[in-house]
Amino acid sequence: NAGVMQNPRHLVRRRGQEARLRCSPMKGHSHVYWYRQLPEEGLKFMVYLQKENIIDESGMPKERFSAEFPKEGPSILRIQQVVRGDSAAYFCASSPLPGQGFGELFFGEGSRLTVL
Amino acid sequence: RKEVEQDPGPFNVPEGATVAFNCTYSNSASQSFFWYRQDCRKEPKLLMSVYSSGNEDGRFTAQLNRASQYISLLIRDSKLSDSATYLCVVTHSNYQLIWGAGTKLIIKP
Repeated sequence: NAGVMQNPRHLVRRRGQEARLRCSPMKGHSHVYWYRQLPEEGLKFMVYLQKENIIDESGMPKERFSAEFPKEGPSILRIQQVVRGDSAAYFCASSPLPGQGFGELFFGEGSRLTVL
Repeated sequence: RKEVEQDPGPFNVPEGATVAFNCTYSNSASQSFFWYRQDCRKEPKLLMSVYSSGNEDGRFTAQLNRASQYISLLIRDSKLSDSATYLCVVTHSNYQLIWGAGTKLIIKP
């Protein structure tokens, strides 16, 4: 039973380019969460999605960032026109239950974005 | 004031010693509490949930003090493999967890 799969593990982009990060949740999990982690800091919630629905995007920057979880295929976190401040580790987590506070979250290994 | 605060450490502890971390939270309405462990450049993994009555899992004991709004983690007979960053996590709402920045623990032989 594969865990949460994220790709790419490492991504290098130049300022102004687009970054697309993908996340396939654990089998049977329909709830996906994206987090960002800066060095020496805790995880910051970005967005919570279910299949074809954004449930809570209160942690997403208003511009340049978007997320989707289509009916088929992985969840995608898209960052347009990247800037150096977007350099971070982006973690995806999934759960079998709705909401984050009701049990264990299962994390992918993260995607590390470096913006040159 | 941060919503969840932890001593960043690092805590340098000899193997076999007992070590304790505290974590304070600001939202008195928080209902669920967790300790996660994160190894260097790896993903967080759930260590244990924290229940009102306190709970123990082997060498690990978690306590919750709602009146003072803090949770604690005690590690007995520490092992080299316990070296990691320990993240305190508190619910903010049904859909959000608030994460502390973590306490770094280094176990020395």
